[in-house]
Amino acid sequence: EDKVVQSPLSLVVHEGDTVTLNCSYEVTNFRSLLWYKQEKKAPTFLFMLTSSGIEKKSGRLSSILDKKELFSILNITATQTGDSAVYLCAVEGGAGSYQLTFGKGTKLSVIP
Amino acid sequence: NAGVMQNPRHLVRRRGQEARLRCSPMKGHSHVYWYRQLPEEGLKFMVYLQKENIIDESGMPKERFSAEFPKEGPSILRIQQVVRGDSAAYFCASSPNGLNTEAFFGQGTRLTVV
Repeated sequence: EDKVVQSPLSLVVHEGDTVTLNCSYEVTNFRSLLWYKQEKKAPTFLFMLTSSGIEKKSGRLSSILDKKELFSILNITATQTGDSAVYLCAVEGGAGSYQLTFGKGTKLSVIP
Repeated sequence: NAGVMQNPRHLVRRRGQEARLRCSPMKGHSHVYWYRQLPEEGLKFMVYLQKENIIDESGMPKERFSAEFPKEGPSILRIQQVVRGDSAAYFCASSPNGLNTEAFFGQGTRLTVV
């Protein structure tokens, strides 16, 4: 069965800290790995990674994929209270290649 | 261009009743996905539809659950004879072309079965 495991499940940091969120996966027919931010309710897309070793960057967020070791990390530097959210990792693949298999998420709380 | 609209946002049903969850995709989007998020769990794929067609329903329970996306109107996820275990948040996402990177999620419907 396809599996995506995120760690830690929750994290509390102070504003200005740097955090690293982890995502490991076991998925057949891997196509890509996606990161989402879930505030309140609707997940919003952050990054898609398909190739190993190529960092994707957007402002203070960056992410990288290791297809050999089957994991990805999401880094957030200089955290702000607005970064508080659940960060979801999902892998595209499985029986239907468009299907997303999600991890349980990492709940990040940034305190002033 | 409004986002993906799901309604109702909250739905309470007694065991044995039917639940109908609606998803209006973004304008121009003809692909819809439904996901279920059980408490303390990740989102789980249920079904993928294009207008008037079910493309993949491999994630849907075999009984009591059905989905449709008619030519006109929203996509409907229907749960018959609900049980307590159906209590969850149900999300839909829509895409113009089936690509997950271009999919937008709705706010979800929280179903509570009492």
